[in-house]
Amino acid sequence: GQNIDQPTEMTATEGAIVQINCTYQTSGFNGLFWYQQHAGEAPTFLSYNVLDGLEEKGRFSSFLSRSKGYSYLLLKELQMKDSASYLCAVRSPYSGNTPLVFGKGTRLSVIA
Amino acid sequence: DSGVTQTPKHLITATGQRVTLRCSPRSGDLSVYWYQQSLDQGLQFLIQYYNGEERAKGNILERFSAQQFPDLHSELNLSSLELGDSALYFCASSAKDRSGNTIYFGEGSWLTVV
Repeated sequence: GQNIDQPTEMTATEGAIVQINCTYQTSGFNGLFWYQQHAGEAPTFLSYNVLDGLEEKGRFSSFLSRSKGYSYLLLKELQMKDSASYLCAVRSPYSGNTPLVFGKGTRLSVIA
Repeated sequence: DSGVTQTPKHLITATGQRVTLRCSPRSGDLSVYWYQQSLDQGLQFLIQYYNGEERAKGNILERFSAQQFPDLHSELNLSSLELGDSALYFCASSAKDRSGNTIYFGEGSWLTVV
């Protein structure tokens, strides 16, 4: 089976940096995804890691350590519009287009 | 706009009834996924189809069924509805058989069972 853990809620200040952690336990691993979801809207893709290390994309970066079963999403220069839920998801262990298994998400509130 | 289209956007129905949710994937995407999202459970994978064939099954109840048609659109059928089935149902799609392929979500169908 697969188990994905993330903090339920976080609060950060506009302009600051926030790190959202995700730990996972899976019987196999074939990639980790981060999605952003505003309340009542569709999840939108942010990043993908399959090898260890940091992937940077503008204000967003994602890190993966496969040996530790650990990832984080780093958001820099926070803006009010970044208030949303951030979902960590792991791809099932088989190659190909297998489903993503999602954590329950971290609700981030950005305050002035 | 992800390119994944879902209808209807909102649906209110009574317990015991049956509804059908429809999804058109992004142009060219062969895989379609259905997810259920309720407040306390997060995004739960229900079922996946790839080019018309069932590919993977998650926590889908026996009262629920799905299919993917030759034109690649998919339908999720929910029957004998219960209050607890009230949720946001997402369809998602992805491209050919490659592990890194991103899954793109539609806007979802809000189902309220009263």
